[in-house]
Amino acid sequence: DAGVIQSPRHEVTEMGQEVTLRCKPISGHDYLFWYRQTMMRGLELLIYFNNNVPIDDSGMPEDRFSAKMPNASFSTLKIQPSEPRDSAVYFCASSIPSGRANVLTFGAGSRLTVL
Amino acid sequence: GNSVTQMEGPVTLSEEAFLTINCTYTATGYPSLFWYVQYPGEGLQLLLKATKADDKGSNKGFEATYRKETTSFHLEKGSVQVSDSAVYFCALSGSSASKIIFGSGTRLSIRP
Repeated sequence: DAGVIQSPRHEVTEMGQEVTLRCKPISGHDYLFWYRQTMMRGLELLIYFNNNVPIDDSGMPEDRFSAKMPNASFSTLKIQPSEPRDSAVYFCASSIPSGRANVLTFGAGSRLTVL
Repeated sequence: GNSVTQMEGPVTLSEEAFLTINCTYTATGYPSLFWYVQYPGEGLQLLLKATKADDKGSNKGFEATYRKETTSFHLEKGSVQVSDSAVYFCALSGSSASKIIFGSGTRLSIRP
Protein backbone atom coordinates (compact mmCIF):
# COMPACT_ATOMS: atom_id res chain seq x y z
CA ASP A 1 0.00 0.00 0.00
CA ALA A 2 1.39 3.41 -0.99
CA GLY A 3 -0.12 5.11 2.03
CA VAL A 4 -1.90 8.45 1.96
CA ILE A 5 -0.72 10.43 -1.05
CA GLN A 6 -0.79 14.22 -1.10
CA SER A 7 0.05 16.63 -3.87
CA PRO A 8 1.69 18.96 -4.39
CA ARG A 9 4.40 18.53 -1.76
CA HIS A 10 5.35 22.18 -2.06
CA GLU A 11 3.37 25.11 -3.41
CA VAL A 12 4.46 28.72 -3.62
CA THR A 13 1.87 31.18 -4.81
CA GLU A 14 1.01 34.83 -4.63
CA MET A 15 -1.68 36.39 -2.52
CA GLY A 16 -5.08 36.26 -4.21
CA GLN A 17 -4.39 33.12 -6.21
CA GLU A 18 -6.44 29.96 -5.93
CA VAL A 19 -4.75 26.96 -4.32
CA THR A 20 -5.91 23.38 -4.62
CA LEU A 21 -4.42 20.63 -2.48
CA ARG A 22 -5.14 17.00 -3.28
CA CYS A 23 -5.30 13.82 -1.28
CA LYS A 24 -5.67 10.14 -2.08
CA PRO A 25 -6.53 8.14 1.05
CA ILE A 26 -5.65 4.54 1.71
CA SER A 27 -8.00 2.20 -0.12
CA GLY A 28 -10.72 0.94 2.21
CA HIS A 29 -10.36 3.78 4.69
CA ASP A 30 -13.73 5.47 5.07
CA TYR A 31 -12.63 8.48 7.14
CA LEU A 32 -10.62 11.34 5.71
CA PHE A 33 -9.26 14.31 7.65
CA TRP A 34 -7.64 17.60 6.70
CA TYR A 35 -5.30 19.21 9.25
CA ARG A 36 -3.26 22.41 9.13
CA GLN A 37 0.06 22.75 10.96
CA THR A 38 1.69 26.06 11.85
CA MET A 39 4.26 27.06 14.43
CA MET A 40 1.82 29.43 16.11
CA ARG A 41 -1.30 27.27 16.21
CA GLY A 42 0.06 23.74 16.10
CA LEU A 43 -2.01 21.03 14.42
CA GLU A 44 -5.59 22.08 13.74
CA LEU A 45 -8.38 19.86 12.44
CA LEU A 46 -10.06 21.64 9.55
CA ILE A 47 -12.66 19.14 8.38
CA TYR A 48 -13.33 15.44 8.23
CA PHE A 49 -15.39 13.15 6.04
CA ASN A 50 -17.01 9.78 6.58
CA ASN A 51 -17.94 7.80 3.49
CA ASN A 52 -17.34 10.93 1.38
CA VAL A 53 -19.78 13.03 3.45
CA PRO A 54 -18.47 16.02 5.46
CA ILE A 55 -19.15 15.36 9.13
CA ASP A 56 -17.53 18.28 10.92
CA ASP A 57 -16.22 21.41 9.22
CA SER A 58 -16.15 23.58 12.32
CA GLY A 59 -12.40 23.99 12.00
CA MET A 60 -12.51 25.52 8.53
CA PRO A 61 -11.22 29.03 9.17
CA GLU A 62 -13.45 30.98 6.80
CA ASP A 63 -15.38 30.91 3.57
CA ARG A 64 -12.20 31.12 1.55
CA PHE A 65 -11.61 27.47 2.45
CA SER A 66 -13.60 24.63 0.94
CA ALA A 67 -13.14 20.87 0.86
CA LYS A 68 -14.72 18.19 -1.25
CA MET A 69 -14.62 14.44 -1.49
CA PRO A 70 -16.26 13.43 -4.76
CA ASN A 71 -15.40 9.75 -4.30
CA ALA A 72 -13.75 7.38 -1.88
CA SER A 73 -10.30 7.78 -3.40
CA PHE A 74 -9.95 11.52 -3.77
CA SER A 75 -10.36 14.73 -1.80
CA THR A 76 -9.43 18.36 -2.38
CA LEU A 77 -8.89 21.34 -0.13
CA LYS A 78 -9.24 24.64 -1.93
CA ILE A 79 -8.30 28.13 -0.80
CA GLN A 80 -9.66 31.00 -2.85
CA PRO A 81 -8.37 33.67 -2.61
CA SER A 82 -5.21 32.74 -0.74
CA GLU A 83 -3.60 35.03 1.83
CA PRO A 84 -0.12 35.04 3.42
CA ARG A 85 -1.60 33.86 6.74
CA ASP A 86 -2.65 30.64 5.00
CA SER A 87 0.99 29.63 4.75
CA ALA A 88 1.27 26.30 6.57
CA VAL A 89 1.73 22.59 6.09
CA TYR A 90 -1.55 20.92 5.25
CA PHE A 91 -1.91 17.25 6.12
CA CYS A 92 -4.42 14.75 4.92
CA ALA A 93 -5.05 11.61 6.98
CA SER A 94 -7.31 8.61 6.61
CA SER A 95 -8.55 5.86 8.90
CA ILE A 96 -10.97 3.03 9.42
CA PRO A 97 -12.97 2.69 12.63
CA SER A 98 -11.14 0.57 15.20
CA GLY A 99 -13.26 0.32 18.31
CA ARG A 100 -12.67 3.32 20.53
CA ALA A 101 -9.33 4.20 18.98
CA ASN A 102 -9.54 5.57 15.47
CA VAL A 103 -5.91 5.47 14.33
CA LEU A 104 -4.93 7.98 11.66
CA THR A 105 -2.48 7.41 8.82
CA PHE A 106 -1.05 10.72 7.65
CA GLY A 107 0.27 11.78 4.30
CA ALA A 108 3.62 13.56 4.00
CA GLY A 109 1.91 16.95 3.84
CA SER A 110 1.67 19.85 1.40
CA ARG A 111 3.75 22.88 2.35
CA LEU A 112 2.01 26.05 1.18
CA THR A 113 3.72 29.42 1.00
CA VAL A 114 1.62 32.42 0.07
CA LEU A 115 3.67 35.50 -0.77
CA GLY B 1 -14.61 21.12 24.93
CA ASN B 2 -11.88 18.54 24.75
CA SER B 3 -8.28 19.70 24.88
CA VAL B 4 -4.74 18.43 25.29
CA THR B 5 -1.86 20.24 26.99
CA GLN B 6 1.70 19.02 26.66
CA MET B 7 4.99 20.31 27.93
CA GLU B 8 6.71 23.04 26.04
CA GLY B 9 9.79 22.19 24.06
CA PRO B 10 12.31 21.95 22.81
CA VAL B 11 13.70 19.19 24.99
CA THR B 12 17.37 18.35 24.54
CA LEU B 13 18.89 15.24 26.11
CA SER B 14 22.04 13.20 25.82
CA GLU B 15 21.92 9.71 24.36
CA GLU B 16 20.86 7.06 26.92
CA ALA B 17 19.14 9.63 29.14
CA PHE B 18 15.68 9.04 30.61
CA LEU B 19 12.85 10.83 28.83
CA THR B 20 9.54 12.15 30.14
CA ILE B 21 7.20 14.32 28.09
CA ASN B 22 4.18 15.44 30.08
CA CYS B 23 0.65 15.41 28.70
CA THR B 24 -2.60 16.27 30.44
CA TYR B 25 -6.06 16.36 28.98
CA THR B 26 -9.52 17.76 29.51
CA ALA B 27 -12.42 15.70 28.25
CA THR B 28 -15.88 14.56 29.18
CA GLY B 29 -16.49 10.87 29.50
CA TYR B 30 -13.76 8.38 28.73
CA PRO B 31 -11.49 9.47 25.89
CA SER B 32 -8.94 7.37 24.09
CA LEU B 33 -5.39 8.71 24.28
CA PHE B 34 -2.54 8.61 21.79
CA TRP B 35 1.05 9.60 21.20
CA TYR B 36 2.07 10.36 17.63
CA VAL B 37 5.59 11.09 16.39
CA GLN B 38 6.64 13.28 13.47
CA TYR B 39 10.10 12.87 11.94
CA PRO B 40 11.53 15.71 9.85
CA GLY B 41 9.75 16.18 6.54
CA GLU B 42 7.16 13.49 7.24
CA GLY B 43 3.59 13.19 8.42
CA LEU B 44 2.65 12.06 11.90
CA GLN B 45 2.59 8.38 12.71
CA LEU B 46 1.09 6.54 15.64
CA LEU B 47 3.56 5.68 18.40
CA LEU B 48 1.21 4.17 21.00
CA LYS B 49 -2.33 4.36 22.34
CA ALA B 50 -4.52 3.54 25.35
CA THR B 51 -8.29 3.31 25.35
CA LYS B 52 -9.23 3.04 29.01
CA ALA B 53 -8.04 4.03 32.46
CA ASP B 54 -4.87 2.29 33.71
CA ASP B 55 -4.07 0.94 30.25
CA LYS B 56 -0.41 1.17 29.31
CA GLY B 57 0.50 1.74 25.69
CA SER B 58 4.01 0.78 24.58
CA ASN B 59 6.08 0.70 21.41
CA LYS B 60 9.78 0.97 20.48
CA GLY B 61 10.75 1.32 24.15
CA PHE B 62 8.29 4.16 24.75
CA GLU B 63 5.51 3.82 27.32
CA ALA B 64 2.56 5.86 28.53
CA THR B 65 -0.07 5.02 31.15
CA TYR B 66 -3.63 6.36 31.02
CA ARG B 67 -4.19 8.00 34.44
CA LYS B 68 -7.76 9.09 34.86
CA GLU B 69 -7.25 10.39 38.40
CA THR B 70 -4.66 12.89 37.21
CA THR B 71 -6.00 13.20 33.62
CA SER B 72 -2.53 12.49 32.33
CA PHE B 73 -0.80 10.38 29.69
CA HIS B 74 2.91 11.10 30.10
CA LEU B 75 5.34 9.61 27.59
CA GLU B 76 8.47 7.91 28.95
CA LYS B 77 11.51 6.08 27.61
CA GLY B 78 14.28 4.68 29.72
CA SER B 79 17.18 5.26 27.35
CA VAL B 80 16.82 7.55 24.34
CA GLN B 81 18.74 7.30 21.09
CA VAL B 82 19.73 9.89 18.51
CA SER B 83 17.14 8.34 16.19
CA ASP B 84 14.38 9.36 18.65
CA SER B 85 14.88 13.00 17.70
CA ALA B 86 11.48 14.13 16.42
CA VAL B 87 8.35 16.06 17.41
CA TYR B 88 5.98 14.18 19.71
CA PHE B 89 2.24 14.89 19.85
CA CYS B 90 -0.20 13.85 22.53
CA ALA B 91 -3.77 13.42 21.25
CA LEU B 92 -7.21 12.31 22.32
CA SER B 93 -10.49 11.23 20.82
CA GLY B 94 -13.62 11.72 22.86
CA SER B 95 -17.19 10.57 22.53
CA SER B 96 -16.83 11.03 18.81
CA ALA B 97 -14.07 8.49 18.32
CA SER B 98 -13.44 9.87 14.87
CA LYS B 99 -12.48 13.38 15.88
CA ILE B 100 -8.91 13.47 17.18
CA ILE B 101 -7.54 16.55 18.95
CA PHE B 102 -3.76 17.08 19.10
CA GLY B 103 -1.56 18.89 21.57
CA SER B 104 0.91 21.51 20.41
CA GLY B 105 3.79 19.06 20.04
CA THR B 106 7.12 18.76 21.85
CA ARG B 107 10.35 18.84 19.87
CA LEU B 108 12.93 16.36 21.17
CA SER B 109 16.60 16.52 20.24
CA ILE B 110 19.07 13.85 21.35
CA ARG B 111 22.80 14.60 21.46
CA PRO B 112 25.24 11.78 20.68
